[in-house]
Amino acid sequence: DQQVKQNSPSLSVQEGRISILNCDYTNSMFDYFLWYKKYPAEGPTFLISISSIKDKNEDGRFTVFLNKSAKHLSLHIVPSQPGDSAVYFCAAIKNQFYFGTGTSLTVIP
Amino acid sequence: EAQVTQNPRYLITVTGKKLTVTCSQNMNHEYMSWYRQDPGLGLRQIYYSMNVEVTDKGDVPEGYKVSRKEKRNFPLILESPSPNQTSLYFCASSPLVQETQYFGPGTRLLVL
Repeated sequence: DQQVKQNSPSLSVQEGRISILNCDYTNSMFDYFLWYKKYPAEGPTFLISISSIKDKNEDGRFTVFLNKSAKHLSLHIVPSQPGDSAVYFCAAIKNQFYFGTGTSLTVIP
Repeated sequence: EAQVTQNPRYLITVTGKKLTVTCSQNMNHEYMSWYRQDPGLGLRQIYYSMNVEVTDKGDVPEGYKVSRKEKRNFPLILESPSPNQTSLYFCASSPLVQETQYFGPGTRLLVL
């Protein structure tokens, strides 16, 4: 049973516009959430995280929003750049890591 | 350089031939884990280890074994590989389970 879900397998965005990647989870006991970015032939790399006691965390062009009542997490990238093209995984932690299925983002120059 | 290393990076084997994928980290991390990545299924945790001699099953442990005799090493063992274990495998480590994980470069395994 997938406890963390990313319902959009892919997303295309024009360079300079906003990219919004979404993630839903089912377990209200998760206490930490993260986003990872993955390029082909490489391991995932950490991007940004948020504790369950917060609803927003910002790091440069990347902002993560957490809506606990909706059990929903989103990653905003503004402005999007071609180098952001990658697969993005959301993850949640409660004793172990649970990853979503990933969203492939393509930023069109 | 702080890193997680995996060997081999690519492996082709046949059904039933035991194999081991090594994982090593040089960051003195307590927590280590193994994942497999399959199309449409994302990253699924196979096994994890909170510390030396402590290992636990993840979501898809069947057909795999692990050991954690030393803090830095966490090998993944396939005693009798089968074609459904063809996948991309990642090892990861973090200071504690509640912290960011650092991933290795991946091992692509093909079981014929």
